Amino acid sequence: GQNIDQPTEMTATEGAIVQINCTYQTSGFNGLFWYQQHAGEAPTFLSYNVLDGLEEKGRFSSFLSRSKGYSYLLLKELQMKDSASYLCAVPPGRSGAGSYQLTFGKGTKLSVIP
Amino acid sequence: ETGVTQSPTHLIKTRGQQVTLRCSSQSGHNTVSWYQQALGQGPQFIFQYYREEENGRGNFPPRFSGLQFPNYSSELNVNALELDDSALYLCASSSPTGYEQYFGPGTRLTVT
Repeated sequence: GQNIDQPTEMTATEGAIVQINCTYQTSGFNGLFWYQQHAGEAPTFLSYNVLDGLEEKGRFSSFLSRSKGYSYLLLKELQMKDSASYLCAVPPGRSGAGSYQLTFGKGTKLSVIP
Repeated sequence: ETGVTQSPTHLIKTRGQQVTLRCSSQSGHNTVSWYQQALGQGPQFIFQYYREEENGRGNFPPRFSGLQFPNYSSELNVNALELDDSALYLCASSSPTGYEQYFGPGTRLTVT
């Protein structure tokens, strides 16, 4: 089975940096996804990590350590519009036809305050 | 905008009724996945359709069923609705070689 754990809520100040952690247990590993979901809207793709290390994409970076079963999403220069839920997700350990069937964590609700 | 559309936007049903939700995938995508998202939770995988065949199923009972059509649009059917079925139902389309899934805006189902 697969299990994902991430904090329920976080609060940070506009302009600051925030790190959202995710730990996971999977049988096999095919990468880790981060999605952003604003209230009442669909999740949107942020990042996909397969190899260890940090991947930077503008204000957002994602880190993966496969040996520790750990990932984090780093958001820099926080803006009010970054207030949203951030979802960590993993696909099944086995590959198959079709695309990934994701197991999501419960999400971390980030509130950015002035 | 992802190009994935879902209908209806909102739906209210009574316990025991049946419901059909629809999804049109992004152009060129032949894989559609359905997820259920309860309030305050992450999405839970229901099932996936690839080239009109069910290609995997999550931990949902058989009263959750689906179809995919030759144009790759898809339907999710839920029979004998229960109160716990109240949730946001999301469909996501993807290409078989791509890892990114594009989610539609969802259908908010309320069962009373």
